[in-house]
Order: sequence, then structure tokens, then C-alpha cells
Amino acid sequence: DQQVKQNSPSLRVQEGRISILNCDYTNSMFDYFLWYKKYPAEGPTFLISISSIKDKNEDGRFTVFLNKSAKHLSLHIVPSQPGDSAVYFCAATVRDSSYKLIFGSGTRLLVRP
Amino acid sequence: NAGVTQTPKFRILKIGQSMTLQCTQDMNHNYMYWYRQDPGMGLKLIYYSVGAGITDKGEVPNGYNVSRSTTEDFPLRLELAAPSQTSVYFCASSYWEKLFFGSGTQLSVL
Repeated sequence: DQQVKQNSPSLRVQEGRISILNCDYTNSMFDYFLWYKKYPAEGPTFLISISSIKDKNEDGRFTVFLNKSAKHLSLHIVPSQPGDSAVYFCAATVRDSSYKLIFGSGTRLLVRP
Repeated sequence: NAGVTQTPKFRILKIGQSMTLQCTQDMNHNYMYWYRQDPGMGLKLIYYSVGAGITDKGEVPNGYNVSRSTTEDFPLRLELAAPSQTSVYFCASSYWEKLFFGSGTQLSVL
């Protein structure tokens, strides 16, 4: 029973264009959502997060949108750069649960020059 | 800043052998976690700790044990290695909801 789903295993985007990565969740108790980025042979690194009381959070080229009624969030990267090529994991948590993160299966983004 | 340090980076075990994956953090975080990542899958929580002396099971704890005697260290023990434990193991510590991960241990059980 996957509580966090990333249905697109891979995404290819041209440099300079927008990358949109999607994530769906089933547990309505989740109240905090995060995106992590992972390069090969490295651990995941935190990218951006959003609380369930918001519907948008921006940090430079990265924006996360949350649609609670649809239990859906997305990560927008504008403009995409070749260095953004990595695996992106969506994660969710219930804040009073010892911050245990539930991860999606990841989307591999390839940004072509 | 070292952050979260995991050793070893790679290890090959024979079925039935045991080993300890080491994890240490220098950020004085109370919360620490062990995750495993299988190919094409997300990270699954094995065990976690909310402070020294306190540990609890995650989603996939079978075949593993942990201890937390200090704030800094959170070792993961495999007692009888099985091929199903072939995976990449990540240790993490957290500041509120933001987890900081080590670089991982790639373990093969043959």
C-alpha cells in the first residue's frame, strides 16, 4: 500500500524549459511535504518543502504546489538546467510522528543541453 | 562540517554473516533514522530513534537491530544476512522535518 506515489519514473526536458514533477498521496493525515534530490552515489539532499496550510512555496527556480483536495503536489523547476539532472523524491510526514518521512519511488529527471 | 557520516561505503557479505553499519552525526540532532533503498524504489524506513536510549521500528524492521547509546551514533546491525537485504542503506538525522542524509552504504549479500 503505497501512501506516496510518483507515477512517472522518468522525465526528459530541454534546458531552459520548465520541468514539472508530480506526486500523489493517499493519507489525509499528512501535513508536511518535502522534495529531495539525489545524485548517483550520494545521499538525498533536501530541496524544498511545504506545509499543508499553504498551497505554494517558492525558492529560487523551484516552486512546490499543493492541492489538498486532490491529494496532489508538484515540483516546478524553471528554467531547467543540466545540473538539475537527478532523481527527485517526494516525501510526506505527519508532524507529530517523530518526523518519519514516507517516500515516493522517485522520478529521474534528465535535462538535455 | 561532516554532517552525517556512514561507514563502510561498500560491503559484500555471505549469506548468514553479520555486520554493523556505522552512522554518526555531528549536528546534535535528537532524531535519527535508517532507510533502505532498493533499485527503482523509494526509501523505506527500517528503524528510527528520537533520542539516546530510545528506538522504534519503521516499515521494514525484520532482520535488523539498532541501538542508540549516544546522541551522535546510531549503528544498524544485520545478524544473519540474507539476499533480500541487498540494498543501499542510508542513515539520516533531522532538524524538525528536514532530514539530512549520509552518502549511503551499498550492501550485497551473496
